[in-house]
Amino acid sequence: RKEVEQDPGPFNVPEGATVAFNCTYSNSASQSFFWYRQDCRKEPKLLMSVYSSGNEDGRFTAQLNRASQYISLLIRDSKLSDSATYLCVVFHGGSQGNLIFGKGTKLSVKP
Amino acid sequence: EAEVAQSPRYKITEKSQAVAFWCDPISGHATLYWYRQILGQGPELLVQFQDESVVDDSQLPKDRFSAERLKGVDSTLKIQPAELGDSAMYLCASSLALDYFDTQYFGPGTRLTVL
Repeated sequence: RKEVEQDPGPFNVPEGATVAFNCTYSNSASQSFFWYRQDCRKEPKLLMSVYSSGNEDGRFTAQLNRASQYISLLIRDSKLSDSATYLCVVFHGGSQGNLIFGKGTKLSVKP
Repeated sequence: EAEVAQSPRYKITEKSQAVAFWCDPISGHATLYWYRQILGQGPELLVQFQDESVVDDSQLPKDRFSAERLKGVDSTLKIQPAELGDSAMYLCASSLALDYFDTQYFGPGTRLTVL
């Protein structure tokens, strides 16, 4: 089983749609959780951190369920500029603080 | 805004040749990472430095890959000899320290094609 698994995608949605991405992780000791955005042929960029209480940033809402080891990202009122690949990322702390990335889910927002 | 610098941006080489990639992290960032991203996959960690010391190189194919960060600032990743399967994007990232509150900032990457 992969450490971080995401919806395979691609998601093709019209402008204005609401779209949700799901992600599960296998290591219950994981400390921190993030969503990164990656545009085609560009580097990943941090979109938002994910906290246990859930957090919102404009049209984006992230949720974490530690009991189910599940993370979600909701995008409301999709824009053309939201088209990208969304990477679910888990941080393992301790002496080796590295990020574990999912494969990513590709989103394509159409006019 | 400070950025992670990488060069070259693109590299085409023939198999069995040697290649080297360079990374200059954001000033003051103690932790530096090299990732490899194969098309359609997420980035995978190759090596992690804390200052000049290697913290984790468990996923680095040491028979052909090497990495150094001699003065604890910029870093070089080398592949010798390159193989067809090494074609990928090589991403460098840096963060202030080994702490889960510290965001990792990625450079633009080096896209390697091995023919």
